[in-house]
Amino acid sequence: DSGVTQTPKHLITATGQRVTLRCSPRSGDLSVYWYQQSLDQGLQFLIQYYNGEERAKGNILERFSAQQFPDLHSELNLSSLELGDSALYFCASSAGFANTGELFFGEGSRLTVL
Amino acid sequence: GENVEQHPSTLSVQEGDSAVIKCTYSDSASNYFPWYKQELGKGPQLIIDIRSNVGEKKDQRIAVTLNKTAKHFSLHITETQPEDSAVYFCSGEAGNEKLTFGTGTRLTIIP
Repeated sequence: DSGVTQTPKHLITATGQRVTLRCSPRSGDLSVYWYQQSLDQGLQFLIQYYNGEERAKGNILERFSAQQFPDLHSELNLSSLELGDSALYFCASSAGFANTGELFFGEGSRLTVL
Repeated sequence: GENVEQHPSTLSVQEGDSAVIKCTYSDSASNYFPWYKQELGKGPQLIIDIRSNVGEKKDQRIAVTLNKTAKHFSLHITETQPEDSAVYFCSGEAGNEKLTFGTGTRLTIIP
């Protein structure tokens, strides 16, 4: 158990809809990262927050947004969903930044868009 | 930005044999290279990492080598066991606080 909690584990929705994925980082970790894993694809970095502030941005679509709350949990909002958004979305946390040590990943939220 | 390429995409080895996974990176400023293992239904987990000031690091049956000149690094697993079956990801971090991952290698250990 990594200590990172993601909900929901599975989500099925229709095109055009909006969903929210939630992540609770390990106790004491200030950084939260969101990654997208599509079939046969690696882990695509979406966005990072550190102590409530956006720290780094990757290939995140404009239809997607995220935030980190004062209690350090984070939410990833996906809107106007398309079939191609079907993927496994991972949240990871770390004490500091990515180059200082281990990222702890949750078990992911599997999104299916029909 | 950083681009990490990983080969092979699938690898099958006989139990007890060695497995090698290779990665190349593009950003010469990259200085941190972790490897993650993803078991079925789970999130990736760090198994070993190496920083640019060393050329090799070992941890029991796992070793990683880094060639900064050629910009490539490799994961070596010796005396493979069934529990080594998983997807392995290499990654690189170039000081911009985000990891760029390779596309993964699905390793299957044949009993």
